[in-house]
This record gives sequence, structure tokens and C-alpha cells, in this order.
Amino acid sequence: QKEVEQDPGPLSVPEGAIVSLNCTYSNSAFQYFMWYRQYSRKGPELLMYTYSSGNKEDGRFTAQVDKSSKYISLFIRDSQPSDSATYLCAMILNTGGFKTIFGAGTRLFVKA
Amino acid sequence: DSGVTQTPKHLITATGQRVTLRCSPRSGDLSVYWYQQSLDQGLQFLIQYYNGEERAKGNILERFSAQQFPDLHSELNLSSLELGDSALYFCASSRDTNTEAFFGQGTRLTVV
Repeated sequence: QKEVEQDPGPLSVPEGAIVSLNCTYSNSAFQYFMWYRQYSRKGPELLMYTYSSGNKEDGRFTAQVDKSSKYISLFIRDSQPSDSATYLCAMILNTGGFKTIFGAGTRLFVKA
Repeated sequence: DSGVTQTPKHLITATGQRVTLRCSPRSGDLSVYWYQQSLDQGLQFLIQYYNGEERAKGNILERFSAQQFPDLHSELNLSSLELGDSALYFCASSRDTNTEAFFGQGTRLTVV
């Protein structure tokens, strides 16, 4: 079992839809959680960084962390064709030292 | 612009050759990470440095090596190159080991 599980998709939605992207993890030592967006052949771009359970909002993006269920989500409201990209979750594990683990990424297509 | 600079952007070289990829982290960031991403694949963690010292190692081949210099820039050396080494190589930097990382735009390596 991978430490971080993320459905690779692809996920296809119509423009304006609410998108829900998810990752699960197995180790309760994960303490910090991030979402990145990666356009084809470009560097991943940090969207959200959080370390506590609950919701964090930034514009059309909301990151949700549920540490009791070991589950994180990224919601995108009013999705646009420009949101079409691969979304990667990442988590930082604290086991005496810190280690960042990335999910495999979910490919999202938003159709106009 | 993430503030992380990678050079060169593109590199084409022959099998058996050696190349050096360079990364300048964001101002103030002490930690540097190297990742490999093959076509349509996820990010594969190679190695991490913190303030000049190797901090973590991932699936890095023995033909590959890296270092972080006193001015905190880092270099990834790839030797005895094989066709399968063709990939995007990303550098990322973070303030500390438990903070979010910011990625450069990558170096596209093509081995022919």
C-alpha cells in the first residue's frame, strides 16, 4: 500500500462545475498538507498549504483536511477550462526528520 | 514565478555522456529537492539537501549525484546517460524541511 493514495483520473467536468479532488493517507505522522497544480511539462505550482484539520479557502479553491479519517480534499468552485491540469497532493511526514510524499496526481479536464 | 531558477531549460545529449543541471533556490530557502518526472509519470523524489548537507535520499541511481554549495545553489550530475534518463528534472526549495516547497520550471533532458 502506498503512503499516499490519489486517483489518477482522468476527471472530466463541464465548465462551471464544482470539482472535488481527494487523497488518502495511511500514516498518522503526516502533519502538513499541500496541493499543487501542474500544467503539462511545467513545474508544479503550489495552490494550498495547511497543517490543521478543517477548511482553508483561497479564492475558488478550498482545501479540506480530516486527520481522523486520514483524508484530504481540494474543491474547485466555478471550474474553468484554464483549470485543466494535473493536481497533486503532497504531505509532509514527521518521523524524527521531515519527508515530503507526493500523490500520483489527478488529471482534470474542464470542458467549455 | 516561483523564485526557483533552473538552468538549462533544455538539454540534448548522447548516451554515455555526463551533464550537470543547476538550481538556484528562492532567496532565504535552505532546503533543496530534486525530482525526476518521466513522460506522463508522477514525480520521483531523488534527493534533498538542507543547508549544504544531504538530508534525504530517494530513488537516485548511483550514476547520479548532487551537491549543495555554500551559497545554497545546487547541482545534479547525471553520468553514463542512458535513453531512459530522458525526463523532466525539477528542483524545488523550501525555507525549512517542514515547510511548503516551491518548484522551478524544470530542465528537459533528452538523451539520444
